[in-house]
Amino acid sequence: DVKVTQSSRYLVKRTGEKVFLECVQDMDHENMFWYRQDPGLGLRLIYFSYDVKMKEKGDIPEGYSVSREKKERFSLILESASTNQTSMYLCASSYIPQGAFFGQGTRLTVV
Amino acid sequence: DAKTTQPPSMDCAEGRAANLPCNHSTISGNEYVYWYRQIHSQGPQYIIHGLKNNETNEMASLIITEDRKSSTLILPHATLRDTAVYYCIVRVSSNTGKLIFGQGTTLQVKP
Repeated sequence: DVKVTQSSRYLVKRTGEKVFLECVQDMDHENMFWYRQDPGLGLRLIYFSYDVKMKEKGDIPEGYSVSREKKERFSLILESASTNQTSMYLCASSYIPQGAFFGQGTRLTVV
Repeated sequence: DAKTTQPPSMDCAEGRAANLPCNHSTISGNEYVYWYRQIHSQGPQYIIHGLKNNETNEMASLIITEDRKSSTLILPHATLRDTAVYYCIVRVSSNTGKLIFGQGTTLQVKP
């Protein structure tokens, strides 16, 4: 079975901190994604990577950056965390044309 | 990527078939139709995908119309555990295709 692992299930950070959310997949998938999910707003794509060192902005990239130095790992970085970045963050990986597989999510609270 | 339209909510009686429709009238020839579902507090789960032909797996069946402008996900014998938000997505069959979620259909399976 495909496994997508996010480094933390729950995280509490202070405003202004630099935050790293890590995601690792074990199926050699080309594509990896970062989403955030908020009540009433659904799943929104932050960033997408289709190969090592390659990235594309999603619908809401502001305030975030990403890093993909190795195929299996895709990191989401909050350069200076703010309270409006409190959310559930979901990572996924996929191989075209197969479906995407999601991690269990990281619930981030910024205080 | 083409947009999809789904009804916001549907009910289904336990044990009956649940038929979830999706309209994707602007779909391109190289776009697949994917279905995912999300049970409360969990990451989305891939269900099934197809290009032109009808597809079936252990979870569901996918019926795509001949003109590919709409599709139906069928859960043949819905159970209470199938209560979830169901997302229909179209995505290009290349590694650079983004995976964008809409609002989905909330399926409530009732006893």
